[in-house]
Amino acid sequence: EVHLLESGGDLVQPGGSLRLSCAASGFTFSTYAMSWVRQAPGKGLEWVSAVTGSGSNTYYADSVKGRFTISRDNSRNTLYLQMNSLRAEDTAIYYCAKYDYVGGNYRYDIADYWGQGTLVTVSS
Amino acid sequence: DIQMTQSPSSVSASVGDRVTITCRASQGINNWLAWYQQRSGKAPKLLIYAASSLQTGVPSRFSGSGSGTDFTLTISSLQPEDFATYFCQQANSFPLTFGGGTKVEIK
Repeated sequence: EVHLLESGGDLVQPGGSLRLSCAASGFTFSTYAMSWVRQAPGKGLEWVSAVTGSGSNTYYADSVKGRFTISRDNSRNTLYLQMNSLRAEDTAIYYCAKYDYVGGNYRYDIADYWGQGTLVTVSS
Repeated sequence: DIQMTQSPSSVSASVGDRVTITCRASQGINNWLAWYQQRSGKAPKLLIYAASSLQTGVPSRFSGSGSGTDFTLTISSLQPEDFATYFCQQANSFPLTFGGGTKVEIK
């Protein structure tokens, strides 16, 4: 059974840093692209970042580019999000999600498994 | 970046009603579109991918259609567990983008 478990969410001051983790199990982690998606309180979903299975390609939303870094450790089956220069508008629940891999292609329209999320609050 | 516009932002409906939600892309995305359901306090759940393919385990009352810039999610006969918020997401190009969401409420 596929399982994704986020951790690392916390209260942090503006300008601070935080690293989120997503522990994966139940599938061959290195095969699949992964993503972080966030949701501010009472708001919609916002895609944040994605990384391919090997970690060689990464993608970012404009709102976090240059401040956030996505990475993965395939030996530990873990996805990370390093968040620097945090702002109040980064306050959100952060979800990790797994994308399917079909016919040799990453399917970014098939986020078939999601974690339960971890809350990041940026406030003084 | 590709903008995704959903409508309506909310809809009130009764059990058994047919509900249609639309999603418009600011430029053509072929059929690279997904629909997600999010119940209150829960993680999103994939319903439809490739605009019209039903994810395994999702009831057949859910269907998707469209290609290019205009897409539709239809719930043929609303059930109590379908009261939730629905999001579309384009996967044609990075950055991936979601629509603003449609909340389906009890009438």
